[in-house]
Amino acid sequence: EPEVTQTPSHQVTQMGQEVILRCVPISNHLYFYWYRQILGQKVEFLVSFYNNEISEKSEIFDDQFSVERPDGSNFTLKIRSTKLEDSAMYFCASSEYRDGTDTQYFGPGTRLTVL
Amino acid sequence: RKEVEQDPGPFNVPEGATVAFNCTYSNSASQSFFWYRQDCRKEPKLLMSVYSSGNEDGRFTAQLNRASQYISLLIRDSKLSDSATYLCVVNTYNFGNEKLTFGTGTRLTIIP
Repeated sequence: EPEVTQTPSHQVTQMGQEVILRCVPISNHLYFYWYRQILGQKVEFLVSFYNNEISEKSEIFDDQFSVERPDGSNFTLKIRSTKLEDSAMYFCASSEYRDGTDTQYFGPGTRLTVL
Repeated sequence: RKEVEQDPGPFNVPEGATVAFNCTYSNSASQSFFWYRQDCRKEPKLLMSVYSSGNEDGRFTAQLNRASQYISLLIRDSKLSDSATYLCVVNTYNFGNEKLTFGTGTRLTIIP
């Protein structure tokens, strides 16, 4: 069964450093998403991406964040200058359609720890 | 009012029991509804979609009441493997943009 993959599984970084989290969505999917989950809290939407541009972003997704699809398979989330409060699980998701009913499939997540 | 509200639990129930979770959502424009399951420190996994007519998948039954903006999940004959956090999820689709909004989740522990 096709699945979303993410690397690395765990990233430790110093405050102020840049990190890039990588995702490989399911191959025939066209819509991509990033979510985050701070430990003990709910899953929160960050950004959606389609046709090489951002479709929607939340208020969490400020100028420190960016997304990119650098090639035909990868989808990345970059945090330019990490803060302590960026420590969280970051989940990538993808879906085939965007009609309000399609299922989003989640990757296993990257645990980001900012020291 | 929270966008998606769930009782956080925990629910501790004996194996074989029936357990029900409820959820309310605030955005009447929400179009589709799901229950996801999340194991500790893992990704959310789709358990089932929720339809107005009600739907059943084995031991799991989901119901949606659009008028009351209320979603439910019933688990019958609970098993130890059902222990997890159950996430009520609402999809709001608006002018080509969509996002999933998650509840905080209800933690379920099945006791042998």
